[in-house]
Amino acid sequence: DAGVTQSPTHLIKTRGQHVTLRCSPISGHKSVSWYQQVLGQGPQFIFQYYEKEERGRGNFPDRFSARQFPNYSSELNVNALLLGDSALYLCASSLGQPYNYGYTFGSGTRLTVV
Amino acid sequence: GENVEQHPSTLSVQEGDSAVIKCTYSDSASNYFPWYKQELGKGPQLIIDIRSNVGEKKDQRIAVTLNKTAKHFSLHITETQPEDSAVYFCAAKKTRIGGNKLVFGAGTILRVKS
Repeated sequence: DAGVTQSPTHLIKTRGQHVTLRCSPISGHKSVSWYQQVLGQGPQFIFQYYEKEERGRGNFPDRFSARQFPNYSSELNVNALLLGDSALYLCASSLGQPYNYGYTFGSGTRLTVV
Repeated sequence: GENVEQHPSTLSVQEGDSAVIKCTYSDSASNYFPWYKQELGKGPQLIIDIRSNVGEKKDQRIAVTLNKTAKHFSLHITETQPEDSAVYFCAAKKTRIGGNKLVFGAGTILRVKS
């Protein structure tokens, strides 16, 4: 079985640009969460989506947005990129509410903003 | 909001010795505590988790203990092997409906010397 798939694996963008990151959850999983991991720190929660609806949002500016599609895949969008947005962006899938256990993470997208 | 502190930040052990990593959490409503192992260039991998109705859980060389009164939980790895070398993260989460984010500790770099 395929795990959580994220694309692209690496990305270099210029300040002010926009970026879209993609995630495909494990088959049968209906919930997708996004996390940002800055080098040397633990992952920080950005969003959770379940059944195409936003079910939680972390302390991130409105430049960050996301959506979930009918096939449960998800996109994370970041506008007006700042140098501080450079990080590993992780997608995690889970069965979904009420089974909010057992999050499986993808390998992430390494975003570098120059 | 929830805050998770993790200690130590780095841990070096000799192959075959035991390793212990400790975490404390602040929100008494948290009731799900997973541990993740992250290797270089990969996403976090769930290695063991515990729910607040259980005090201890073991899986081969790995065990987790939870003290709800003191609000701390620990990861124990016995008979360490070089392949155990990685960054380990603890996390805490509320599992009520709508409780949908993992709050991570800052991580522990474990080095197993052969």
